[in-house]
Amino acid sequence: DAGITQSPRHKVTETGTPVTLRCHQTENHRYMYWYRQDPGHGLRLIHYSYGVKDTDKGEVSDGYSVSRSKTEDFLLTLESATSSQTSVYFCAITPYAGISAPGGYTFGSGTRLTVV
Amino acid sequence: GNSVTQMEGPVTLSEEAFLTINCTYTATGYPSLFWYVQYPGEGLQLLLKATKADDKGSNKGFEATYRKETTSFHLEKGSVQVSDSAVYFCALYENSGGSNYKLTFGKGTLLTVNP
Repeated sequence: DAGITQSPRHKVTETGTPVTLRCHQTENHRYMYWYRQDPGHGLRLIHYSYGVKDTDKGEVSDGYSVSRSKTEDFLLTLESATSSQTSVYFCAITPYAGISAPGGYTFGSGTRLTVV
Repeated sequence: GNSVTQMEGPVTLSEEAFLTINCTYTATGYPSLFWYVQYPGEGLQLLLKATKADDKGSNKGFEATYRKETTSFHLEKGSVQVSDSAVYFCALYENSGGSNYKLTFGKGTLLTVNP
């Protein structure tokens, strides 16, 4: 999507290795999110950020950490990748939060991660 | 906690057929409701939304009405096209504690439209 890019688009890694996925936005949006998408589960929230250096856990945060040192970048790290972390990872952004937020989220195109 | 339940897929229709994808939700307050669409190999795109009871969201021929009494937000389209083949996600947006808000998704419904 325009204004949000994820890298890499595809990655194959070995069990036990660390992996970092990057989400980069040019929209200057305050809120950023990491989701994973798995068959039969839809999208599940891993971590989110509500500002530089402000992050919090989602519903499936075990085995993942995040960092946001500047507005435009939100990094997701798998400390020691496992096969259960094979998934498609999506980043999303939104400028506002709260019930008066004008719209939904803008999603990146995803990163397909395979852990062998 | 908050949750979204969508009808199980896959749904297979012929072109010009009528489409309904059911969505019901559980929430503690008054969420905003969304439908997102994911075309093959792409990320999710916002299709339509409704922010309060009785609101109707519409876009590209798709409609959904926020029904508080039945806690539902069913997606409908009168005449589907092959290009509508995609995965559709219902989602609710609500306060998750303090000043934080969260989008919770259903599991998605795969729609295939045949010519």
